[in-house]
Amino acid sequence: VQLLESGGDLVQPGGSLRLSCAVSGFTFSSYAMSWVRQAPGKGLEWVSAITGRGGGTYYADSVKGRFTISRDNSKNTLYLQMNSLRAEDTALYYCAKAANWAFPDYFDYWGQGTLVTVSS
Amino acid sequence: EIVLTQSPGTLSLSPGERATLSCRASQSVSSNSLAWNQQKPGQAPRLLISGASSRATGIPDRFSGSGSGTDFTLIISRLEPEDFAVYYCQQYGSSPITFGQGTRLEIK
Repeated sequence: VQLLESGGDLVQPGGSLRLSCAVSGFTFSSYAMSWVRQAPGKGLEWVSAITGRGGGTYYADSVKGRFTISRDNSKNTLYLQMNSLRAEDTALYYCAKAANWAFPDYFDYWGQGTLVTVSS
Repeated sequence: EIVLTQSPGTLSLSPGERATLSCRASQSVSSNSLAWNQQKPGQAPRLLISGASSRATGIPDRFSGSGSGTDFTLIISRLEPEDFAVYYCQQYGSSPITFGQGTRLEIK
């Protein structure tokens, strides 16, 4: 199982960014996926999740209305579209595989993360 | 939202000693849907325990989890040098998924 995030960058407040997570080693469409973030020196915060076939999406209150999670099962790729970015969104963003297709569930595999920095 | 409070914040022990980490939930965790994750500096988190007490694949048996309802415990029976890390409990019984603030296990 491999999860490889990309797309992190330095962006100005109010800007947008799209993160990607390319996966391999398992049947992608059979598992829910999440994004979990970690601000510098801080703990883990769940951000968003999507069920295996994409029919259900879930968001933390802190990002609801600004972030959109999606997946392309034909490309084995998970996405996070991040709009109206704020300084407090600065974090390392991890892609995490759930143990089953539904939400919520625990995460049995994690990627190495991609860094998003929101600053002027 | 279920708030998870971990104690202690930092635990200083020596290799070979026993470590006891606590995680208390603000309300009952559905179906004991409680996981423990380990994170070493510069690395992604790694699953240790799910369902409060089931070790993940490849996790040594010196790691054990217990508890139910609102009180959960992770025990490392005999600390190895590679066990010094930050440990996070996580509940997945209800949305949103939440994590504890972490317990840092450091070498004494």
